[in-house]
Amino acid sequence: DIQMTQSPSSLSASVGDRVTITCRTSQSISGYLNWYQQKPGKAPKLLIYAASSLQSGVPSRFSGSGSGTDFTLTISSLQPEDFATYYCQQSYSTPYTFGGGTKVEIK
Amino acid sequence: EVQLVETGGGLIQPGGSLRLSCAASGFTVSSNYMNWVRQAPGKGLEWVSVIYSGGSTYYADSVKGRFTISRDNSKNTLYLQMNSLRAEDTAVYYCARSLGGYCSGGSCYPGWFDPWGQGTLVTVSS
Repeated sequence: DIQMTQSPSSLSASVGDRVTITCRTSQSISGYLNWYQQKPGKAPKLLIYAASSLQSGVPSRFSGSGSGTDFTLTISSLQPEDFATYYCQQSYSTPYTFGGGTKVEIK
Repeated sequence: EVQLVETGGGLIQPGGSLRLSCAASGFTVSSNYMNWVRQAPGKGLEWVSVIYSGGSTYYADSVKGRFTISRDNSKNTLYLQMNSLRAEDTAVYYCARSLGGYCSGGSCYPGWFDPWGQGTLVTVSS
């Protein structure tokens, strides 16, 4: 199975900050990496697919990059509605594993 | 509007069985790859199972041999039959459609998951 290492597991940031979350996989997955946002009590929401493609309707302050084993989700200017938990997921091979999550909290 | 609605969750004793349903609207279940993902209380996301448009199915090792994914084309509904339930199966279960999925060279890639249903809670406890 492909192991997903997401870091940090949590972070505190202020509105307007630039936030970077990383995801490392145990083997190369090319660009088969997706990012989701989840708020408490809600279903996950797709943000970024295929490593760097922005899902329709998602604000442009979100961006993704990377290929192979190292990937990054960046929020260029954190907004109040961005406080949530973020998950990466590989869709290269079964089981389609998720990272452990990064909880973004208000500083 | 593309939408998924899960039903069938509840409290069940260890060793029992439960069938979850995921009713789709706005698209055809049989033409898409469909997934089940679960989330234990306070924990992260765990992929459970996929059914490809061609009918092939795959499972996480944690549920293999106990859970069965299926679909009813006439009802445009996805199912997850869960048998021999354990306390560690307690979770919110989400269904999710795959987009961008394809098969090539004997391997299938499910793409990304969108949309997701609202989830249904399964509690396994005596």
